[in-house]
Amino acid sequence: QQPVQSPQAVILREGEDAVINCSSSKALYSVHWYRQKHGEAPVFLMILLKGGEQKGHEKISASFNEKKQQSSLYLTASQLSYSGTYFCGTANTGNQFYFGTGTSLTVIP
Amino acid sequence: EPEVTQTPSHQVTQMGQEVILRCVPISNHLYFYWYRQILGQKVEFLVSFYNNEISEKSEIFDDQFSVERPDGSNFTLKIRSTKLEDSAMYFCASSSDRVGTGELFFGEGSRLTVL
Repeated sequence: QQPVQSPQAVILREGEDAVINCSSSKALYSVHWYRQKHGEAPVFLMILLKGGEQKGHEKISASFNEKKQQSSLYLTASQLSYSGTYFCGTANTGNQFYFGTGTSLTVIP
Repeated sequence: EPEVTQTPSHQVTQMGQEVILRCVPISNHLYFYWYRQILGQKVEFLVSFYNNEISEKSEIFDDQFSVERPDGSNFTLKIRSTKLEDSAMYFCASSSDRVGTGELFFGEGSRLTVL
C-alpha cells in the first residue's frame, strides 16, 4: 500500500531543477508532499485534492494525475535549504495515510 | 502558533519493559495518528484515532501496541513489552480534517531506544 518514489536519492547543484515522482498501486483521492530535515519531524508542503490539480509553493510545485495514480513534485532553481528527504503521502480509504518510500535530496553549492 | 507536543523526547528502556509515549495534539483537532521511523528509513503508519476509537491500524500495530486518549487532551501510545526492533522515532500527528483532505501536523518525535 505504500507509494513508491523515484528517484531514491538525488544530488543537485544550487540553481538546478529536480523532479520527484510518487506512484501508487491503489486509487488515490489526494496526495500530500512533506519534507523532512535530518532529525526533525516531517513538514507539510502541499496537498493536491483533485486529479489534474497543480499547485505551487514558491519554487516548489506539484501535479496530481489521478488516472495514473501518480504525483510529481517539481523543485525549480534549488536552494541549499531544499536539502532533506521528501515524502509523498497518499490517502485512499478510511483514515489510513501512507507515506512514500522517500527521496533524499542534497543541494550542494 | 499551535503545535503538537510529544514527551519524552528520548527514552531508553530494557527489552521487555513497558513504554508509554505521550502526545498533546492541537486542541481543536479531531484526528490523531502515530507513525514510526526507524533511523534513516521510511515513515511507517501505525494507527489513526477518531472519536475516541481506533479508525485504522497497520500490520505493525499488533497486540503489544495500544492507544488511548485518557483525558481529552493527551493521546498516548503504549508498547507493552518492548523488543529491540521497536527502537525508532515515534511521531504523533493531528489534523482537523479527515486524512487526505487536510494537513497533518507532526510533533517533534519521541526517540525510543530498546536495549
